[in-house]
Amino acid sequence: AQSVTQPDIHITVSEGASLELRCNYSYGATPYLFWYVQSPGQGLQLLLKYFSGDTLVQGIKGFEAEFKRSQSSFNLRKPSVHWSDAAEYFCAVDRGSTLGRLYFGRGTQLTVWP
Amino acid sequence: EPEVTQTPSHQVTQMGQEVILRCVPISNHLYFYWYRQILGQKVEFLVSFYNNEISEKSEIFDDQFSVERPDGSNFTLKIRSTKLEDSAMYFCASSEPMWQTEAFFGQGTRLTVV
Repeated sequence: AQSVTQPDIHITVSEGASLELRCNYSYGATPYLFWYVQSPGQGLQLLLKYFSGDTLVQGIKGFEAEFKRSQSSFNLRKPSVHWSDAAEYFCAVDRGSTLGRLYFGRGTQLTVWP
Repeated sequence: EPEVTQTPSHQVTQMGQEVILRCVPISNHLYFYWYRQILGQKVEFLVSFYNNEISEKSEIFDDQFSVERPDGSNFTLKIRSTKLEDSAMYFCASSEPMWQTEAFFGQGTRLTVV
């Protein structure tokens, strides 16, 4: 069964601090990996994606994520958090079909202190 | 920038009533999806749709649910005889007909069953 784990339900950081949100998946092969962000009252916006190739991917808003096959992880990072980054972040996995069903983690709520 | 549009943003309905949630996918996309997120829980896949038929559905998508593409632009989710536990945020998504592509999500419809 597909499983995506985001172990941190809620993270609080100070503005300007670095951020790492964790994501682990369980799947036999290398899936396609995504991070989405949801601001209050908004839909799910794609931050970045990994299909193959370079394991460090850059996304929008200064975010990056690193795929580590040995750890089945796809952690999201940002070197300096801005107050506007406060939102809920979802890791999602696609097993790799063209009709991609996404499996989502439970989400990590990010609070940013001024 | 093209976007997925969902209407209404919020729907309140009485238990037992039928509701139709509407979505306008991005115009050149051919794969369509519905997901839902019960408050405090994961975003869950409901159904994918391609070439005017269901491609895959989850165990949640029982006979109470149906999807339709009534014309060239709309994609609808119908819930017959709504139950209290159908209260959730429903997200529509669409993607291009190509390998290794991401899904674009709408802003969601908040369904409240009373």
